[in-house]
Formats: sequence, C-alpha cells, structure tokens
Amino acid sequence: DADVTQTPRNRITKTGKRIMLECSQTKGHDRMYWYRQDPGLGLRLIYYSFDVKDINKGEISDGYSVSRQAQAKFSLSLESAIPNQTALYFCATSDHRDSKNIQYFGAGTRLSVL
Amino acid sequence: GQNIDQPTEMTATEGAIVQINCTYQTSGFNGLFWYQQHAGEAPTFLSYNVLDGLEEKGRFSSFLSRSKGYSYLLLKELQMKDSASYLCAPDRGSTLGRLYFGRGTQLTVWP
Repeated sequence: DADVTQTPRNRITKTGKRIMLECSQTKGHDRMYWYRQDPGLGLRLIYYSFDVKDINKGEISDGYSVSRQAQAKFSLSLESAIPNQTALYFCATSDHRDSKNIQYFGAGTRLSVL
Repeated sequence: GQNIDQPTEMTATEGAIVQINCTYQTSGFNGLFWYQQHAGEAPTFLSYNVLDGLEEKGRFSSFLSRSKGYSYLLLKELQMKDSASYLCAPDRGSTLGRLYFGRGTQLTVWP
C-alpha cells in the first residue's frame, strides 16, 4: 500500500473548470506539500502546511488554493483551470521529528487543461 | 535569490562511475538533498549532507562543500536501473522544510 496516495492519477479538464487534486497519507507525518513539475523546470513548490492549522504559500501559489482537512489530508484546488497549469503534480510529506526532514512523495497526478 | 546549477544530461556505460555536480546559491542553508526520479515516477530520497565531506552509502556517495556552495553525487558500478533524473535540492534551513529543487540531471546508462 502506498504511504502517500494521490487521486486522481490522471485528469483531463477544460479551461475555466474548477478541479481538486487530493492527497492522503498514512505515514503519520505532520507536514505536507504540493509541487508541480514541468519539463525542464524541475519541481516547484505551490503550497505547504506544517500542521492542520498552518498553510503557507510557496513559490508559485497564484491560481491555486489548498485545504488541510485533517493531518492526513491535503488537497489542492485550481479555481479556474488554464492551459499553462498542465503539469505533473506531486504531494509530499515529512515529519518534524526527523532531523533531516526528508520529504516522501506520492506517485503524482498528471493534469491536462485543454 | 535562489540558483542551482547542475548538468542537464549525462551518459555513461554499465559498470562505470559517474559524478553529477551541483552548485547552489540560496538564502539560508541547512543541508543538501539528492533525490532520484525515474521517468513518470515520484522522486525518492537518496542522501542528505549537512557537514562538509563525503558520505558513502553503498554504490552511491554524496559530497558537500558548504563554503564553495558545491555538492556532487557519485554513482559507482552503474546499472541500467540507475537511468533516471537526479535532483539536487538545498534545504533552506531558515524556512524549515522548504526545499528548492534544481532542474535535475538526466542520466542515461548504456549497456
């Protein structure tokens, strides 16, 4: 069983639609992150959350919002999808008790906005 | 600002040794991660260096020089399964948990 689960794995949507990507984890970690990955640009941080009541913007938060519904769940929303949000999205988790703060990634959601 | 520089692509043959270099400039620095990412898959943790020097872990070793803003990942006895992208990621310590990923080095291992 995957420790960090992302749903859906693939999604095709149209410009202007609202879409939600979900992430759940069974690792018991308190910290969660959303990244997007584009060819040639690497991983870029969208939002992160250090606990249920904490939400922080990353480097590219415009056009996105998040919700930390519980310690184990962190969802990413695109309020009105646009084609340049077509990308591979990753959720990650880490544990504040880990001195290295290693991040563990889900399998990713491939999103296409037409 | 943040800047990470690593080669875009490298090739090598099975059994060989390859060194992937990374130079970085970040605001705040706690340590440096290396992650491996196979095509279409999630990044997975390889190493984390806090102190200067070389850390060895099986076929993979990672080196850090904090004063030079330089790190490298050394892969020995290359295998076909080592074909992947290798991501250099400084840990900006002042903003805990916020890694800044490089664009990655795509390594292809030929038979």
